[in-house]
Amino acid sequence: DQQVKQNSPSLSVQEGRISILNCDYTNSMFDYFLWYKKYPAEGPTFLISISSIKDKNEDGRFTVFLNKSAKHLSLHIVPSQPGDSAVYFCAASPGGSEKLVFGKGTKLTVNP
Amino acid sequence: NAGVTQTPKFRVLKTGQSMTLLCAQDMNHEYMYWYRQDPGMGLRLIHYSVGEGTTAKGEVPDGYNVSRLKKQNFLLGLESAAPSQTSVYFCASRPSSGGGYNEQFFGPGTRLTVL
Repeated sequence: DQQVKQNSPSLSVQEGRISILNCDYTNSMFDYFLWYKKYPAEGPTFLISISSIKDKNEDGRFTVFLNKSAKHLSLHIVPSQPGDSAVYFCAASPGGSEKLVFGKGTKLTVNP
Repeated sequence: NAGVTQTPKFRVLKTGQSMTLLCAQDMNHEYMYWYRQDPGMGLRLIHYSVGEGTTAKGEVPDGYNVSRLKKQNFLLGLESAAPSQTSVYFCASRPSSGGGYNEQFFGPGTRLTVL
């Protein structure tokens, strides 16, 4: 049973436009959410996170929105750049736990 | 500052063989983790350690053992490899305090094939 779901395996966006990556979760015990970016043949790198006590967190071009009632979070990238082309993983952690649960990832392609 | 390094980068094993994957970090992090990633899947936690001399099971621990004899190293062992353990293995670490909660730093991965 997938607790973290990224239902779009891929997304293609034009350079300069907004990229919106979505993530749904089922476990109400999750209280911290993270986004990781992964290039081929490299390990994931941390991008941005949000605590369940917030509904928005912003870092430069990246903004994460959390809707707890819908158990949904999204990552917005504005403006999108070709270097943003990568696989994006959503991850969630229950309170007090070391365990991160990852989604399957969404491959973002930003076309010049 | 090399961050998190993994040895080896690639390995091919025959069924039943054993091997050890080494993870090293030079950031003085307390917490270390081993994940596996299968094609089309997210990362799944195998084992983790919250400090030198400690280990704990993650989501998919069967068939693996780990040791954390030194703070900077976390070893993942396969005693009798099976084709189902063909995967890419990632090690990660994080400090016990400072920064955000559970923001882990990942190594480049080890691609393991079991024939």
